Amino acid sequence: QKEVEQDPGPLSVPEGAIVSLNCTYSNSAFQYFMWYRQYSRKGPELLMYTYSSGNKEDGRFTAQVDKSSKYISLFIRDSQPSDSATYLCAMILILRGGSNYKLTFGKGTLLTVNP
Amino acid sequence: DAGVTQSPTHLIKTRGQQVTLRCSPKSGHDTVSWYQQALGQGPQFIFQYYEEEERQRGNFPDRFSGHQFPNYSSELNVNALLLGDSALYLCASSLGAGDSYEQYFGPGTRLTVT
Repeated sequence: QKEVEQDPGPLSVPEGAIVSLNCTYSNSAFQYFMWYRQYSRKGPELLMYTYSSGNKEDGRFTAQVDKSSKYISLFIRDSQPSDSATYLCAMILILRGGSNYKLTFGKGTLLTVNP
Repeated sequence: DAGVTQSPTHLIKTRGQQVTLRCSPKSGHDTVSWYQQALGQGPQFIFQYYEEEERQRGNFPDRFSGHQFPNYSSELNVNALLLGDSALYLCASSLGAGDSYEQYFGPGTRLTVT
């Protein structure tokens, strides 16, 4: 079983739709949860960064973490064609006192928002 | 403020050759991590450098090695290239101290091994 599972899609939605992206994980020691956006032929860009269970909102984006179910989500409201990209979930495992850590990514979900 | 920069952008090498990729971190960052991203996959952690030392290493063979310079820039070296080494190589920078785990990625170097 992989540590982080993410449905690769592809996911295609009309402009204005609410998008839901999800990841599950198996390692309960993961402490921080991130969402990155990666446009074609570019490096990943950090979108959201959360620690505790619950919701965190930033503009049209909401990150949700449920540690009891080992499940994280990213919601995009009023989706725009410019949101078309690959969305990667990532999780941090803290090692040896905090300064050492490991970042593990999901495979990414390819999202297309159609005008 | 320049972000993370990487060079070269693209590279084509032959099996068995050696390659060196370069990374300059975001201004103010002292830690550099390297990742390999195969087509259709998420980035896989190779190693992390802090204070010119390899601090963490992922599940990659010794053919993959690195270096960090006093100005915090870094190199990734891959020896005896295999076809399976073809991928996008990403560099990410961050602050080594404290509890900030935000990593900022460069645009990557696309390596093709023929």
